Amino acid sequence: GAVVSQHPSRVICKSGTSVKIECRSLDFQATTMFWYRQFPKQSLMLMATSNEGSKATYEQGVEKDKFLINHASLTLSTLTVTSAHPEDSSFYICSAPRRAQETQYFGPGTRLLVL
Amino acid sequence: GNSVTQMEGPVTLSEEAFLTINCTYTATGYPSLFWYVQYPGEGLQLLLKATKADDKGSNKGFEATYRKETTSFHLEKGSVQVSDSAVYFCALYNNNDMRFGAGTRLTVKP
Repeated sequence: GAVVSQHPSRVICKSGTSVKIECRSLDFQATTMFWYRQFPKQSLMLMATSNEGSKATYEQGVEKDKFLINHASLTLSTLTVTSAHPEDSSFYICSAPRRAQETQYFGPGTRLLVL
Repeated sequence: GNSVTQMEGPVTLSEEAFLTINCTYTATGYPSLFWYVQYPGEGLQLLLKATKADDKGSNKGFEATYRKETTSFHLEKGSVQVSDSAVYFCALYNNNDMRFGAGTRLTVKP
């Protein structure tokens, strides 16, 4: 069964609104989670590393004020896309490492469509 | 820094053909290496992994060997099936950093 969940799986919003995406590790604790973005037929792009109890680490070119990350607990990280615009439409995926970071488990992804 | 270079696709094969998808990496220390697969309309799934040099990961007929001397982790399958059609991603995890290759789209025709 799934070990990392994401919610919602799909969201459609109006331009200018904010959208929150949750990533949960279901049966293990994750002090670190990763957030990715995937464009159609392209690779995953790492956006940021979410760290429980401290600030997220953002990749170069990713606006931290636009993509707010909060790692509220050892099983939950949230990504908030603030003031979303159509160019933010994408597939967002989270992952969490397990067992001494030897394996990453991925969430099923969240498809965001900004109208 | 850490990086992964993966053979670009798309790759189109006939059923029962031999598959190789090349993957090389750059990393300091001893990364863990992975192959992930993404079937159409689905999320990523771990296909196989290797955590130290000379380890061979295998699953569903796919294999990859962690070669430190050539910094490679090539994916192979002796006889592909139509159901193997998907996008394959090579990845590494090292010092709390995860990197993916660009992905290789495989299409297997009957």
